[in-house]
Amino acid sequence: SQQGEEDPQALSIQEGENATMNCSYKTSINNLQWYRQNSGRGLVHLILIRSNEREKHSGRLRVTLDTSKKSSSLLITASRAADTASYFCATDAGGNQFYFGTGTSLTVIP
Amino acid sequence: SAVISQKPSRDICQRGTSLTIQCQVDSQVTMMFWYRQQPGQSLTLIATANQGSEATYESGFVIDKFPISRPNLTFSTLTVSNMSPEDSSIYLCSAHLRTEAFFGQGTRLTVV
Repeated sequence: SQQGEEDPQALSIQEGENATMNCSYKTSINNLQWYRQNSGRGLVHLILIRSNEREKHSGRLRVTLDTSKKSSSLLITASRAADTASYFCATDAGGNQFYFGTGTSLTVIP
Repeated sequence: SAVISQKPSRDICQRGTSLTIQCQVDSQVTMMFWYRQQPGQSLTLIATANQGSEATYESGFVIDKFPISRPNLTFSTLTVSNMSPEDSSIYLCSAHLRTEAFFGQGTRLTVV
């Protein structure tokens, strides 16, 4: 399977703390994206990082990509209760399909 | 960006019946994708729906169980046929625009 692995599976933090989740994948990619899903609803795109980029920022989000280790991390700084959701990485290897990771369930405690 | 309207948002169905899920995209897209997501799990691709041709099914999914229609570039349906409790899941449709995937709101299906 080309599905990525994410860790941790679940993460619980206090509001204001930073949350870090990691994604590992198996094949060469064109880009890697992170998505957010609120309680079984549709996924919402957060950020895309291309294979030739190492780090990218968007608001409170910071994404890193290490293609030599086939891994990426998503950092959410100064977390809020509203950040509570599941987060998925998705890889695009240039075909039509995206491969989604196993997901990290984040709970931010007010 | 793209907006995908998916319905129904949820349904409770009797075993042995069928449910058709609809997705409408506000842009023309070449491919649409149908996923299943078990509670607490990742997304599993069921099939890719191409306009004007048969859908392409992933291993473990067959057309008789999950027939798909794609009559035009903005619309697709997925039918879950002869349902059993094991089909209880969230079903999601998706379309790609450039490098980004857009999703419908999901259909939460419970089979009793």
